[in-house]
Amino acid sequence: EPEVTQTPSHQVTQMGQEVILRCVPISNHLYFYWYRQILGQKVEFLVSFYNNEISEKSEIFDDQFSVERPDGSNFTLKIRSTKLEDSAMYFCASSPSPRGREQYFGPGTRLTVT
Amino acid sequence: AQSVTQPDIHITVSEGASLELRCNYSYGATPYLFWYVQSPGQGLQLLLKYFSGDTLVQGIKGFEAEFKRSQSSFNLRKPSVHWSDAAEYFCAVGKSNFGNEKLTFGTGTRLTIIP
Repeated sequence: EPEVTQTPSHQVTQMGQEVILRCVPISNHLYFYWYRQILGQKVEFLVSFYNNEISEKSEIFDDQFSVERPDGSNFTLKIRSTKLEDSAMYFCASSPSPRGREQYFGPGTRLTVT
Repeated sequence: AQSVTQPDIHITVSEGASLELRCNYSYGATPYLFWYVQSPGQGLQLLLKYFSGDTLVQGIKGFEAEFKRSQSSFNLRKPSVHWSDAAEYFCAVGKSNFGNEKLTFGTGTRLTIIP
């Protein structure tokens, strides 16, 4: 069964460094999402992406964040200058369409900012 | 804006006992509702979904949920839990209009199973 994959599974970085989290969505899906989950808290929406542009972004998704689909298979989340409070599990999700279709989540990347 | 409330932070049940996890949502139109499960160190796995039609929906692993519009609820049930059901359960709501289907999650309910 096709699944969303994410790399790396765990990333440790120093405050102020740039990180890129990578995702490979399910191949025939068209809509892509990033969510994050701070330890012990709920899963929060960051951004949705369709047709090579951002559809919606949350208040969390400020200028330090960017997303890109550099080729036909990868979907990346970049954090330009990481802060301690960026430490969280980051989930990528994809969906064949937004109307009434479930989102399939990857296993997540745990980002630790020291 | 849509929101989801899961009033139970932690529930403990005995193996073989029945289970009900509560979820209340707030959304102005007909919502799309989901239950996801997260095992320790794992991602989010979809258990079941409600879009329209029959208000009792069946999911994987023997779970079911009932949509009750009058109560704005979408409670998850299982008649007999197994030790492997121990996990965190998240209820989520999605908007029904085209184009933006971000999911709004509840805070989750941690399920512990005792022998």
